[in-house]
Amino acid sequence: DAKTTQPTSMDCAEGRAANLPCNHSTISGNEYVYWYRQIHSQGPQYIIHGLKNNETNEMASLIITEDRKSSTLILPHATLRDTAVYYCIVRGKTSYDKVIFGPGTSLSVIP
Amino acid sequence: SAVISQKPSRDICQRGTSLTIQCQVDSQVTMMFWYRQQPGQSLTLIATANQGSEATYESGFVIDKFPISRPNLTFSTLTVSNMSPEDSSIYLCSVESGFEQYFGPGTRLTVT
Repeated sequence: DAKTTQPTSMDCAEGRAANLPCNHSTISGNEYVYWYRQIHSQGPQYIIHGLKNNETNEMASLIITEDRKSSTLILPHATLRDTAVYYCIVRGKTSYDKVIFGPGTSLSVIP
Repeated sequence: SAVISQKPSRDICQRGTSLTIQCQVDSQVTMMFWYRQQPGQSLTLIATANQGSEATYESGFVIDKFPISRPNLTFSTLTVSNMSPEDSSIYLCSVESGFEQYFGPGTRLTVT
């Protein structure tokens, strides 16, 4: 079973920051927080991952709370192409740790 | 990174028949995964396939229904056997590379 809880859907105005929350209260010490997104009719795409420090890459920023029980994915300037389902996933970092998807958050970026 | 291709991209099949889906990766990988995504749903892991060993199936999936081959480090097949309309889904291949997981474009299967 998925170890995360996310809102079912969110809207965001184009050009504004999209903040997608995720709760993972049962995360263990060696588990990472991963984010993927799935644009309609495509395979999921890796966005970012982190352990306990905040992370940033060219796509997004990941903010993890100090107790690691929740995190927020930030898309700093959302565009219409960011409309997708966003999945927050908790997993270990070995090849044998499976990527188990929950229902995710459907983000709609509105013009 | 890893680039994954799947064949066919889509198919319409009659119930009772079988379809074999191919997954090709542009680099050698140890772990390959097969997922199913039913209409309007999230992805569900079917099985994990390592080269040189039998696939490991998740709860609710069995080898007789979804036989998997993994003949080398860049290729795998998933067969959907004795299909019924409930098997209509998108089937996705995935690989692990550098602690990130990459997904193919999927095979959209419709069973009539």
